[in-house]
Amino acid sequence: DTAVSQTPKYLVTQMGNDKSIKCEQNLGHDTMYWYKQDSKKFLKIMFSYNNKELIINETVPNRFSPKSPDKAHLNLHINSLELGDSAVYFCASSQAHQGLVFFGQGTRLTVV
Amino acid sequence: SQQGEEDPQALSIQEGENATMNCSYKTSINNLQWYRQNSGRGLVHLILIRSNEREKHSGRLRVTLDTSKKSSSLLITASRAADTASYFCATVSNTGNQFYFGTGTSLTVIP
Repeated sequence: DTAVSQTPKYLVTQMGNDKSIKCEQNLGHDTMYWYKQDSKKFLKIMFSYNNKELIINETVPNRFSPKSPDKAHLNLHINSLELGDSAVYFCASSQAHQGLVFFGQGTRLTVV
Repeated sequence: SQQGEEDPQALSIQEGENATMNCSYKTSINNLQWYRQNSGRGLVHLILIRSNEREKHSGRLRVTLDTSKKSSSLLITASRAADTASYFCATVSNTGNQFYFGTGTSLTVIP
């Protein structure tokens, strides 16, 4: 059973489009995250939600809007996609902020 | 930036040798974690060491933590080709609401 699943795995889209990435965890965790990994492999936290409430919102353009309908889901919507948004986006979850973090397999977003 | 630094950035060793990676961080932490990422895949957690611990073992992995120097090391003994991956340290702040990854070490184990 997949613990943290995100879809789609690959996403190729044109500049200016709006797209969403979905994430679900079946671990019963109360905290979920979105990370961005760039071409240099740097992993940067974008958002953190605890019990559906936004905890961390790093310096991320307003075009990125996370939505957490419930504890098990944290979706990422991106408006007006730009070339620089091309990266791998990872969803993750943990039990409270201090536990081990479980990652999804990533969504490779390519903006052309 | 609160991101930790890891060194070396890249490490290439022969199978059977030991591999050591270092991680330095900037703020006080609750715990530090090491993760592994195979090419094109998600991250998998390897080991967690709390701020009041100095050393931890798990199989061929040995992690040390020196909070006075704000540094940690990951030692992989008797390396195997299958250990080839990127390794990241991650720190969790004392408040528990900040979780940051280091820059990663790319390890290549040559058969």
